Amino acid sequence: GAGVSQSPRYKVAKRGQDVALRCDPISGHVSLFWYQQALGQGPEFLTYFQNEAQLDKSGLPSDRFFAERPEGSVSTLKIQRTQQEDSAVYLCASSIKAQRAGNTIYFGEGSWLTVV
Amino acid sequence: DAKTTQPPSMDCAEGRAANLPCNHSTISGNEYVYWYRQIHSQGPQYIIHGLKNNETNEMASLIITEDRKSSTLILPHATLRDTAVYYCIVANSGGSNYKLTFGKGTLLTVNP
Repeated sequence: GAGVSQSPRYKVAKRGQDVALRCDPISGHVSLFWYQQALGQGPEFLTYFQNEAQLDKSGLPSDRFFAERPEGSVSTLKIQRTQQEDSAVYLCASSIKAQRAGNTIYFGEGSWLTVV
Repeated sequence: DAKTTQPPSMDCAEGRAANLPCNHSTISGNEYVYWYRQIHSQGPQYIIHGLKNNETNEMASLIITEDRKSSTLILPHATLRDTAVYYCIVANSGGSNYKLTFGKGTLLTVNP
């Protein structure tokens, strides 16, 4: 597709369950971001990849959160032993890395996670 | 990194121009002004961005003051589908400040 694709669109997990959220960035986009958006709040940065390298994971809230992008395209955000406070929308975004600044970052529709 | 200030909410009549202000008095010389919007239950949608010159595309116009301390997003003919939260963000996505830091944005309500 032409845009950033995320799956599943909706996920209900039982507390303590592990979940995996997938992101397909726009073809050819080098940079990939994950954001978390709680209800009524703006998106908050989680982590950033340039190709397969995870250059910034400063926003990951705990060591239960893990992200990977092994071949520099598709990325997976994994949450282990989910807790109720993990309930949020998880947004993936991508941009083409250019020599100059001012890249446009495009977002997917998000994966809605509800932990019960 | 620079922060932005936006009014929490605004109303606009359908068919009229919507002018959304944003203050970014601490913007750095290499930081761009980005505008995104988010319609309920959807991901943020890119609208426009600029450095210092005014910009226009099929969605909107961006007017940046000469001192770059503030900007205005203009939707020339608002429709009901433009009702959304609008985020003004300053960032340098190709440089060291590559993250988009979202504030609370402005909830624009377009009324029939």
